[in-house]
Amino acid sequence: SAVISQKPSRDICQRGTSLTIQCQVDSQVTMMFWYRQQPGQSLTLIATANQGSEATYESGFVIDKFPISRPNLTFSTLTVSNMSPEDSSIYLCSVVPLAGAYTDTQYFGPGTRLTVL
Amino acid sequence: GQQLNQSPQSMFIQEGEDVSMNCTSSSIFNTWLWYKQDPGEGPVLLIALYKAGELTSNGRLTAQFGITRKDSFLNISASIPSDVGIYFCAGQLRGGSNYKLTFGKGTLLTVNP
Repeated sequence: SAVISQKPSRDICQRGTSLTIQCQVDSQVTMMFWYRQQPGQSLTLIATANQGSEATYESGFVIDKFPISRPNLTFSTLTVSNMSPEDSSIYLCSVVPLAGAYTDTQYFGPGTRLTVL
Repeated sequence: GQQLNQSPQSMFIQEGEDVSMNCTSSSIFNTWLWYKQDPGEGPVLLIALYKAGELTSNGRLTAQFGITRKDSFLNISASIPSDVGIYFCAGQLRGGSNYKLTFGKGTLLTVNP
């Protein structure tokens, strides 16, 4: 399966600042997604990262708060803007690979653990 | 929207025991997935099920896709300490460009050596 890396792996940020999280895949993928996992909770889809166009956001998530870029088939960024303590979560990217055992389902990166003070 | 009910929420077992957990849905999925998440890590795909009634094994793990397409279970046989973690079920409606997943709330497994 695709090898997915995320940077940073964790960060502690001040209220009101922004953090950009990077997701890099070692092979081309069809789809890339961004999820949020609040403490002790399940995964919630933030948006689908579309290559070369605006991301598709789920209900409750907006571009101004979570701008996303996907300039090519192997890289995407998620920015958490104007952060508050409620944004403290694990942020995960996932991909649907072009090749491998399961080419139509999602594999997850290691996550970025964000704490906002 | 679609919701998945995953049970139990948590399990405490002795090493060597078998484990069973399940997910039920209010609506149909055409793919069921089981992931495991270790502390501080992202979820890792364990098993994917694509056909109603399908029974699939991966080592000590066995999962089934329910006939109604609204449920799935995961069994772990002869548990070992490294089985500790959170297990998530996820349902997927495949078709066209739709790869979205709906996740259960997870089952926290603790294995006492």
